[in-house]
Amino acid sequence: GDSVTQMEGPVTLSEEAFLTINCTYTATGYPSLFWYVQYPGEGLQLLLKATKADDKGSNKGFEATYRKETTSFHLEKGSVQVSDSAVYFCALSGISGNAGNMLTFGGGTRLMVKP
Amino acid sequence: GAVVSQHPSWVICKSGTSVKIECRSLDFQATTMFWYRQFPKQSLMLMATSNEGSKATYEQGVEKDKFLINHASLTLSTLTVTSAHPEDSSFYICSAKLGTLAKNIQYFGAGTRLSVL
Repeated sequence: GDSVTQMEGPVTLSEEAFLTINCTYTATGYPSLFWYVQYPGEGLQLLLKATKADDKGSNKGFEATYRKETTSFHLEKGSVQVSDSAVYFCALSGISGNAGNMLTFGGGTRLMVKP
Repeated sequence: GAVVSQHPSWVICKSGTSVKIECRSLDFQATTMFWYRQFPKQSLMLMATSNEGSKATYEQGVEKDKFLINHASLTLSTLTVTSAHPEDSSFYICSAKLGTLAKNIQYFGAGTRLSVL
């Protein structure tokens, strides 16, 4: 079945540091890929998405490129801020049959940014 | 963007009582809504998929008589935790699907923290 693997946290960075959170996936066909962010005590918010190979999703300074050859969708940001501290989830959505209705999540990566 | 409202945000109840959680899509019609459970510091686990006007599809291991789901309209789905016990304490999150299959995007509610004493 479909699966998503992302690096374990927590990731602790100083403000203005470069961020990379690795995400790789296993899926049949051509899934859509997503990054969601969860701030403390809140639900998930869609951060960015990519629906086909080589697409780059970007939002709020974050970006991720859909790499079919390496089955990856790594999240990057050039300069993190304290307000970016949150848990980040990589997810995929299949397109075949009922799988198209489901999101498969990675385990989440907690990011802590220190001033 | 699309807004999903979830209510209540936090509920504390005694063991044995039933708790209803509402999930509403505020500015769009959602034919499909999802219910997730999240344990502390863990990822989301899909509990069930709720389609308007039909019975919910539960994931393996989720008791349908324990977690009653009703999707009565295109903008409202409810999850009722029946006879709640302390082990049901968790963070419950709903989401609603917007768009066609090719652009499958789920928008999430803010979650409901359930504490069963």
